[in-house]
Amino acid sequence: GQQLNQSPQSMFIQEGEDVSMNCTSSSIFNTWLWYKQEPGEGPVLLIALYKAGELTSNGRLTAQFGITRKDSFLNISASIPSDVGIYFCAGRKAGANSKLTFGKGITLSVRP
Amino acid sequence: DVKVTQSSRYLVKRTGEKVFLECVQDMDHENMFWYRQDPGLGLRLIYFSYDVKMKEKGDIPEGYSVSREKKERFSLILESASTNQTSMYLCASSSYGGNSDYGYTFGSGTRLTVV
Repeated sequence: GQQLNQSPQSMFIQEGEDVSMNCTSSSIFNTWLWYKQEPGEGPVLLIALYKAGELTSNGRLTAQFGITRKDSFLNISASIPSDVGIYFCAGRKAGANSKLTFGKGITLSVRP
Repeated sequence: DVKVTQSSRYLVKRTGEKVFLECVQDMDHENMFWYRQDPGLGLRLIYFSYDVKMKEKGDIPEGYSVSREKKERFSLILESASTNQTSMYLCASSSYGGNSDYGYTFGSGTRLTVV
């Protein structure tokens, strides 16, 4: 099945740095979501975006729904060690009950 | 607190065994999903269900079956476990409609090892 494009597979940053991740597709999506998965746990929803151009924050996290509706961005500011985990993007196309399409995820490591 | 509960966090089974992975949600969600997660491959959809007694194949259904006899419970069955089914299995549920879309709620996962 189709997957969204997330790269690189892994990112390594220093504590205190900002980090940006993007998620791209060749298709249009109506909803974009960002999840975080901590080691040994299931993914947890961080931010949901519903409208092209929308910018939404959740604490140190900010995400944007791309104008073309084919991409989304997540920014984490002033990273801390507990930001480590796998960050997944997901998109949903138009149509009631359409399934989510996921990216493969980016594993973030934060060096103290 | 709303929850998706997977019955086991860790399982070790022998090749050829029949394995049942159970998932229960308390949110009255219509939709339930089973994924497997492997390093570098992301989340791959095995089966999903939009209603009781309904099931549809996902992207990798081979070697698996599912059962949904009650709305809150969705079971994944490995008919004859093989070593290539060693993986993390994630259950998720969702309800979609109206103006809100909160995506899926995931369970904590079951790490299955087949020896």
